[in-house]
Amino acid sequence: AQSVAQPEDQVNVAEGNPLTVKCTYSVSGNPYLFWYVQYPNRGLQFLLKYITGDNLVKGSYGFEAEFNKSQTSFHLKKPSALVSDSALYFCAVRVTGFQKLVFGTGTRLLVSP
Amino acid sequence: GAGVSQSPSNKVTEKGKDVELRCDPISGHTALYWYRQSLGQGLEFLIYFQGNSAPDKSGLPSDRFSAERTGGSVSTLTIQRTQQEDSAVYLCASSQRPREQAGNTIYFGEGSWLTVV
Repeated sequence: AQSVAQPEDQVNVAEGNPLTVKCTYSVSGNPYLFWYVQYPNRGLQFLLKYITGDNLVKGSYGFEAEFNKSQTSFHLKKPSALVSDSALYFCAVRVTGFQKLVFGTGTRLLVSP
Repeated sequence: GAGVSQSPSNKVTEKGKDVELRCDPISGHTALYWYRQSLGQGLEFLIYFQGNSAPDKSGLPSDRFSAERTGGSVSTLTIQRTQQEDSAVYLCASSQRPREQAGNTIYFGEGSWLTVV
């Protein structure tokens, strides 16, 4: 069975500092990994995904994520956080043959001025 | 349309009533998904459509929940005899279906916020 773990319910970071939101996964087969962001009272917005190739993936709003197969991780990062980055972030995984995305429980990012 | 469109955006209904939630996927997207997000909870998969058929409906929580899709486009999620625990945001999403499906990006709508009183 596929599963995703986001070990932190909340991450606090000061504006201008680097941020990391952690994600680990468990799948049988090659994983396809995704990050989504949800602003208050909104739907999910796609940030980035890893399919194959370069382990460092760049996405929207200056976010990037690094796929690490040996650690089964796909942590989301940004070099310099903005207050406007404060939102709920979801990691998700899918494998070939399974159509649905399996989501983690979400991590709330709070960036203070 | 440019994105996934859902209606109504907000719905307040009385316990025991039936509700219908509508989803209009991105034009040309053959795959359509329904998810549920309860307050303080993560995202719960409900059902997946490929065209008009639903090969995976494993997430529907009870027989009060049903969904259909017509013309390979619009989908309706119906909840019969609503209960208070059905209060949640119901998110619809869609994606293309090229040769490599698992890497396709799934795009979400803004959700239908359902409150059962």
